[in-house]
Amino acid sequence: GAGVSQSPSNKVTEKGKDVELRCDPISGHTALYWYRQSLGQGLEFLIYFQGNSAPDKSGLPSDRFSAERTGGSVSTLTIQRTQQEDSAVYLCASSLLWGQQETQYFGPGTRLLVL
Amino acid sequence: GNSVTQMEGPVTLSEEAFLTINCTYTATGYPSLFWYVQYPGEGLQLLLKATKADDKGSNKGFEATYRKETTSFHLEKGSVQVSDSAVYFCALSQSGGYNKLIFGAGTRLAVHP
Repeated sequence: GAGVSQSPSNKVTEKGKDVELRCDPISGHTALYWYRQSLGQGLEFLIYFQGNSAPDKSGLPSDRFSAERTGGSVSTLTIQRTQQEDSAVYLCASSLLWGQQETQYFGPGTRLLVL
Repeated sequence: GNSVTQMEGPVTLSEEAFLTINCTYTATGYPSLFWYVQYPGEGLQLLLKATKADDKGSNKGFEATYRKETTSFHLEKGSVQVSDSAVYFCALSQSGGYNKLIFGAGTRLAVHP
């Protein structure tokens, strides 16, 4: 079946512009996660969703970052007023159920470059 | 806080050599432990996992045993192939309802013929 998909695969933007990154989880997966992979910080957790709610937003780097999930499916990560330090690969993952033992399946990522 | 420490790379081996990539963790409670692999140009994919102490995860000839007494989850393979060249990430998912993965820095493995 189809895996996690993300769009766009690459995004180049100018400093100060807003960007939206999209994630389509595996059909039927109830939990969805966003991570960021950068050279300086490695892989870091940003936010997760149980259904449409986000109980833990502590990983978002600043208030310029926000995310939503609608219909228990697609999620959008929005970065406002982008800065050069936002340049990274943004990864989305989903899992069938919620729980620490659940396997998270990752998408291919969106590579964001802020000039 | 919770953290994962894995050996720095790159690790360079000849084909058919034995592989060990060390991983230790710090966590409260009883986390689940994972190894993810990222092949060149591809996304992260699960290699194996273990959810309780003394469990052994295995896949594609790779193995790792959840050792609570040494807080370790070392990855091993008896005979590596060129196709195993990739970056390997150790990760934990902490207990208590927090399902986020905490990753190590990653270890790059290069296998030469």
